[in-house]
Amino acid sequence: DVKVTQSSRYLVKRTGEKVFLECVQDMDHENMFWYRQDPGLGLRLIYFSYDVKMKEKGDIPEGYSVSREKKERFSLILESASTNQTSMYLCASSYTGNTEAFFGQGTRLTVV
Amino acid sequence: AQSVTQLDSQVPVFEEAPVELRCNYSSSVSVYLFWYVQYPNQGLQLLLKYLSGSTLVKGINGFEAEFNKSQTSFHLRKPSVHISDTAEYFCAVTKGIYRDDKIIFGKGTRLHILP
Repeated sequence: DVKVTQSSRYLVKRTGEKVFLECVQDMDHENMFWYRQDPGLGLRLIYFSYDVKMKEKGDIPEGYSVSREKKERFSLILESASTNQTSMYLCASSYTGNTEAFFGQGTRLTVV
Repeated sequence: AQSVTQLDSQVPVFEEAPVELRCNYSSSVSVYLFWYVQYPNQGLQLLLKYLSGSTLVKGINGFEAEFNKSQTSFHLRKPSVHISDTAEYFCAVTKGIYRDDKIIFGKGTRLHILP
């Protein structure tokens, strides 16, 4: 079974903190994605990566950065957390060609 | 660029009744199409996908979808819903050709099953 594991299910951080969300996949997938999910807005792509050290901006990259130093791990970084970044964050991975994406359980981040 | 429109944000339906969740996409090239389901407090899981071939695609839990190229639609159907189908459903599209192709999701449709 493919597994995409996000390091935390729930996270509470203070405004201004630097926040790291970690995602690990065990299927040797080339592609990894970070989405943000908000009610009524669906899944919005923040960043994705199609290879180690490669990254592409999605639709809402502002306030976020990413790191992919190893193929299996894709980190999302909130440089200075703000309350409007309170949301559910979903990580996904897929093979090149995107014939199916596999999702982690999500991290519900609250910034206070 | 591709885009996906899910025409209904919420769909209430009685248990054992049929349901259709609508999805339209926009793309200038051939695409792959997907339906994902998200149960409460969980991540997304694949229901079904259209890559090529037969336009009628069958998925898990009795769901099916029909790819209609002329109408650029990929509607999801189930002939008889159960209370366990209560979830949010997402339609998604990708070109899937180049290594930097994205997967674009719709805004989701909440399916409410009424007893």
